[in-house]
Amino acid sequence: LAKTTQPISMDSYEGQEVNITCSHNNIATNDYITWYQQFPSQGPRFIIQGYKTKVTNEVASLFIPADRKSSTLSLPRVSLSDTAVYYCLVGAPSGSARQLTFGSGTQLTVLP
Amino acid sequence: ETGVTQTPRHLVMGMTNKKSLKCEQHLGHNAMYWYKQSAKKPLELMFVYSLEERVENNSVPSRFSPECPNSSHLFLHLHTLQPEDSALYLCASSRGGNNEKLFFGSGTQLSVL
Repeated sequence: LAKTTQPISMDSYEGQEVNITCSHNNIATNDYITWYQQFPSQGPRFIIQGYKTKVTNEVASLFIPADRKSSTLSLPRVSLSDTAVYYCLVGAPSGSARQLTFGSGTQLTVLP
Repeated sequence: ETGVTQTPRHLVMGMTNKKSLKCEQHLGHNAMYWYKQSAKKPLELMFVYSLEERVENNSVPSRFSPECPNSSHLFLHLHTLQPEDSALYLCASSRGGNNEKLFFGSGTQLSVL
């Protein structure tokens, strides 16, 4: 399974765009990249998933370069409620994906 | 609401007690997971159940015993726990097949005295 590396923490101000980058040098051909958000004492919540190029939904965008060795989660115009831990996961689409592994995540703190 | 319900939300138990954590998913998924999250540590996968197999993390002590009677219910039986087992225990489910998106419950905050 591909190991991921993210910054431990990031600070931002309300209204700014936040970009969190995840490195996954050993990503396999069939691996998807998935991001989750976790608030204290709650389970992680799915944000976005992609395989290559760019994916956008109502919450975030995910940018994946051609070599797929990294990915960037982009949160537009963050608010205080976006303060959370963000996890990048890399896993196969089925079978061995049963063992999706979470890394340490990035603690995002949004300041007023 | 994520469609995954865990009970109880909080549990305090002594080291000699036996208790069980319960998880139920209403999403029609066919895989269920137990994760452990200790303070300031990453989530640690403990067990996985799917239609095809049960997968264990070999580092999980035998004092944790999972049970999955059907695709919608998952239990984690606890006995003779240690204080270091105090953590947030999270249940998750997924549909299976392509794009393994995990749906988590709110967790059980366990304190072992």
